[in-house]
Parts: sequence; C-alpha cells; structure tokens
Amino acid sequence: NAGVTQTPKFQVLKTGQSMTLQCAQDMNHEYMSWYRQDPGMGLRLIHYSVGAGITDQGEVPNGYNVSRSTTEDFPLRLLSAAPSQTSVYFCASSPGENGNSPLHFGNGTRLTVT
Amino acid sequence: AQTVTQSQPEMSVQEAETVTLSCTYDTSESDYYLFWYKQPPSRQMILVIRQEAYKQQNATENRFSVNFQKAAKSFSLKISDSQLGDAAMYFCAYRPYYGGATNKLIFGTGTLLAVQP
Repeated sequence: NAGVTQTPKFQVLKTGQSMTLQCAQDMNHEYMSWYRQDPGMGLRLIHYSVGAGITDQGEVPNGYNVSRSTTEDFPLRLLSAAPSQTSVYFCASSPGENGNSPLHFGNGTRLTVT
Repeated sequence: AQTVTQSQPEMSVQEAETVTLSCTYDTSESDYYLFWYKQPPSRQMILVIRQEAYKQQNATENRFSVNFQKAAKSFSLKISDSQLGDAAMYFCAYRPYYGGATNKLIFGTGTLLAVQP
C-alpha cells in the first residue's frame, strides 16, 4: 500500500533554477495539499486542491505553482528557486475536505537552494 | 485567524515515566478538530491522536491521552510509560470543522521530546 508518494527525497538547486516536486496518491482522495516545514515555524500550507481541475492558495503560495490534472497527482512547481525556499516539503491527502477527514502525509522532500 | 501555540520547544523524560506536552490554540469557532502528530527522525508525519471539539470526553490511544479544556482552549498530550521510540518532534494541530476554503491544518511550532534510558 503506497499511500502518498513524494519524489525526490532530497534535492539541491541553484538560485534561479526551476523544478517540480512530485506527489502521487493511490487512495482516490479528493483533497490534496502541500506544506512546507521550517525550523521553529511548524508546517505551513502552500497550496491545496479539493479535486481534479481545482486548486487554491494557502498561507505561503508565493514562488510556487500547482496543477491538478488527475485525482492521483498534485505536483508543486518552483518557478525560480530562491534560498528562502530551502525547506522540507510535505504533500498530504485526505478523502474529503471536511475537518473529520484524516490527512495522510508523504515522507517529505528536503530541498536546499544555494 | 486561528493560531496554535506550543510553548515548550524541548522536553525530556525518563524511560517508563509520564510526560505532558502543552498546546493552546485560539479560535472563534465552536466546532473544530485538534490533533497531535509525531515526527520521528525519519521525517514521517504520524497521527497520534485526534479530538473532536464537540466531544467532552478526552481521547485516548493506548499510552497516549489528551486533556482537552475547551473553555481554556488547551489541548495537552500525556504520554504514559514513555518508551525510547517515543522520542520525536510532536506537533499540535487545529483543523476547522467545515471544509472548503478554510480547510487546512494549522500547526504549532513543535515540541522536541527526548527520552532518556
């Protein structure tokens, strides 16, 4: 049972480079989201999606793009990486968008921007 | 806006002892969910326990229990008979009852728990 799969596990980028963090879930969950985790700040929501074709911004969306062409996949794109985007990124999904639906997390991607 | 505060950046407990991690939150809503997540060095986020605000009974999961004080907006986690495997970062989180645009987990800054043998 794969659950939520994130790739890559680690990535180093130079300032200005672009890349896509991949997230896939095999549980047919409608709700998917991206968080970033920074020391002393907990996890903060970047973008989320309540279904294929629908995305919206979270708390810290600047510098990131998302799309949701299928139920399974929810990639996060960094358009022009900056050192401030050095962080650990988590993808999470849940069966529905209401508060009672448990979030399933991927194992995270550690991104370093130099 | 809702906020979650964990005032203990680090805690330490002896193996087999009991430890309580503190969490307070701020919200104007009457219905919501509260969670404790565990993050071991593997980085995986593991749900430890969940509490529905409309339930007065405190949630328990084996050695983990919460003390939910709705009026005080307090949600502490008690770990009994601590084990070496309990060593991890613990996050308290709040989630609105209803979904839609307001649906998201709001996390505290975490408490790093060390378990001494």
